[in-house]
Amino acid sequence: GENVEQHPSTLSVQEGDSAVIKCTYSDSASNYFPWYKQELGKGPQLIIDIRSNVGEKKDQRIAVTLNKTAKHFSLHITETQPEDSAVYFCAASTSSGYSTLTFGKGTMLLVSP
Amino acid sequence: DSGVTQTPKHLITATGQRVTLRCSPRSGDLSVYWYQQSLDQGLQFLIQYYNGEERAKGNILERFSAQQFPDLHSELNLSSLELGDSALYFCASSVGVQGEKLFFGSGTQLSVL
Repeated sequence: GENVEQHPSTLSVQEGDSAVIKCTYSDSASNYFPWYKQELGKGPQLIIDIRSNVGEKKDQRIAVTLNKTAKHFSLHITETQPEDSAVYFCAASTSSGYSTLTFGKGTMLLVSP
Repeated sequence: DSGVTQTPKHLITATGQRVTLRCSPRSGDLSVYWYQQSLDQGLQFLIQYYNGEERAKGNILERFSAQQFPDLHSELNLSSLELGDSALYFCASSVGVQGEKLFFGSGTQLSVL
């Protein structure tokens, strides 16, 4: 089955800095890659997603890049703010379809004022 | 607020017992997904229902079962509980059968003592 590795497990940055979280996946048939943000006491919330036919996608301060050849994708957050502090999860679909999303173990992002 | 409602928020029970977790999806969403979140395993997909029918199965134990009712709410039944079943259980919903753009509830924290 699909395996998703996520790094780093924790990331501390100063407000205004950029943050990058990286994920690799194992199944070359995976074709959908979402990113979720989980705040304390809440469920994961979709923040951005990308399909395998697109190399990059941006939404204001966040962007995701995908390298299908290397089977890795990354989340970029620019001009970080304290409210960006949360756990971020990457995920990838399995070859059996979108339904069975496989998640990475998560990255705890801490943004200090 | 994601629009997905999970009850109860917290559940404390003893080994060997049986519990039922309940989920009401967002209005208009036909798919319901159950995930288990623990510190060591991360977010693990358990099972998906679409419009009352089971669509995909993940790492769900035989002691666990789920169903989706005609009003589209879903229940996850956990029986013969073990200490290792202690985890945060999330329900998510989406419009279609493909597991894209999932909306997660706030979860049920299960503690098995």
